[in-house]
Amino acid sequence: NAGVTQTPKFRVLKTGQSMTLLCAQDMNHEYMYWYRQDPGMGLRLIHYSVGEGTTAKGEVPDGYNVSRLKKQNFLLGLESAAPSQTSVYFCASRAGAIEQFFGPGTRLTVL
Amino acid sequence: SQKIEQNSEALNIQEGKTATLTCNYTNYSPAYLQWYRQDPGRGPVFLLLIRENEKEKRKERLKVTFDTTLKQSLFHITASQPADSATYLCAPAYNKLIFGAGTRLAVHP
Repeated sequence: NAGVTQTPKFRVLKTGQSMTLLCAQDMNHEYMYWYRQDPGMGLRLIHYSVGEGTTAKGEVPDGYNVSRLKKQNFLLGLESAAPSQTSVYFCASRAGAIEQFFGPGTRLTVL
Repeated sequence: SQKIEQNSEALNIQEGKTATLTCNYTNYSPAYLQWYRQDPGRGPVFLLLIRENEKEKRKERLKVTFDTTLKQSLFHITASQPADSATYLCAPAYNKLIFGAGTRLAVHP
């Protein structure tokens, strides 16, 4: 099992550009999450999904959109990137149990 | 709003000693609390969960306590080793997990 994978690992964008981050999990988990992690701050929840075809806003959803068309994939989109979105992005998933499994992260820089 | 406080200063200890990390929370009553380990450049990894009706939980060299009156959890690593060096995140949860910023632990030989 690969667990939770994220692509790309690194990306540099210019202000105003768009991109999509892909998260994939092979554990058949229902729940999936997108977090961002900034220095000195805890992981902050951007959006989450409780099952295929469903999404919901987290703590810091502005400027991001998500889609969960397939159970194993959770996509995070930035329509018009801003420097404030420079961060490390983590995807996580869980089944009915409480433990979350995290991906390796995507380091995004917006110039 | 809900707030999680972990010591932002790194904890430096000698190999073999017990490391104790603190997690304080305010403005909510979590049903359970989780601890994660995060190594540089990697995603967090789950270590332990403790529920509100449990005072203490152990797993090998790890021990977690949960005091709902003090709104505090303590995370202990006994007989610490340099391989234990990492950042440790606490995450109290009610409906969803809320993560603290973490405390970096450095264990020196």
